[in-house]
Amino acid sequence: EIVLTQSPGTLSLSPGERATLSCRASQSVSGDFLAWYQQKRGQAPRLLIYDASSRATGIPDRFSGSGSGTDFTLTISRLEPEDFAVYYCQQYGRSPGTFGPGTKVDIK
Amino acid sequence: QVQLVQSGAEVKKPGSSVKVSCKTSGDTFNVYAFSWVRQAPGQGLEWMGGIIPIYGTAIYAQNFQGRATITTDESTSTVYMDLSSLRSEDTAVYFCARGGGLPKFFDYWGQGTLVTVSS
Repeated sequence: EIVLTQSPGTLSLSPGERATLSCRASQSVSGDFLAWYQQKRGQAPRLLIYDASSRATGIPDRFSGSGSGTDFTLTISRLEPEDFAVYYCQQYGRSPGTFGPGTKVDIK
Repeated sequence: QVQLVQSGAEVKKPGSSVKVSCKTSGDTFNVYAFSWVRQAPGQGLEWMGGIIPIYGTAIYAQNFQGRATITTDESTSTVYMDLSSLRSEDTAVYFCARGGGLPKFFDYWGQGTLVTVSS
């Protein structure tokens, strides 16, 4: 199965700053079938990005995804207070679909 | 709108089984795939398995082969996940999630069901 590694483990930033989160795959992700989710404490994950760079319905344009092959990035252009959460990447190019371990974005 | 509503929290003894339900509404049930994803306390997300109701056959992650059973009831648009031979390491929040296939990204999620395994 494809193993996903996310870095950094924790990102400490202030509101208004730019966040750059990395997701690296152990093998090339077929079709660039990679998604990003946001999860807040006590809530279910929320889909942000699919197919590496397509924003899900209702997701603000400060969230953007990029990358291909084995290296993918989620960028939050300017952090809003509600963006402090844990972010997971998921590949679905090869079965079984797998998740990364997550990056926590917390307030500096 | 699309909703996935899960059954309530459970407390189980080691060695027993648990069955969690996920009632869906707001869209055509048969044509989507439904998966179960679990999250142990303070940990990440782990895909357990999934099913496409129109085909009826579930697929499972290797870690859950033989221990998890995913089924559907089309008459009530409900997905079920049965996990047997429970051990303390199965203590987790279990989510159902909808995708367009297996594997696929998940666009709608249930609220989660906490299963606690304790003697």
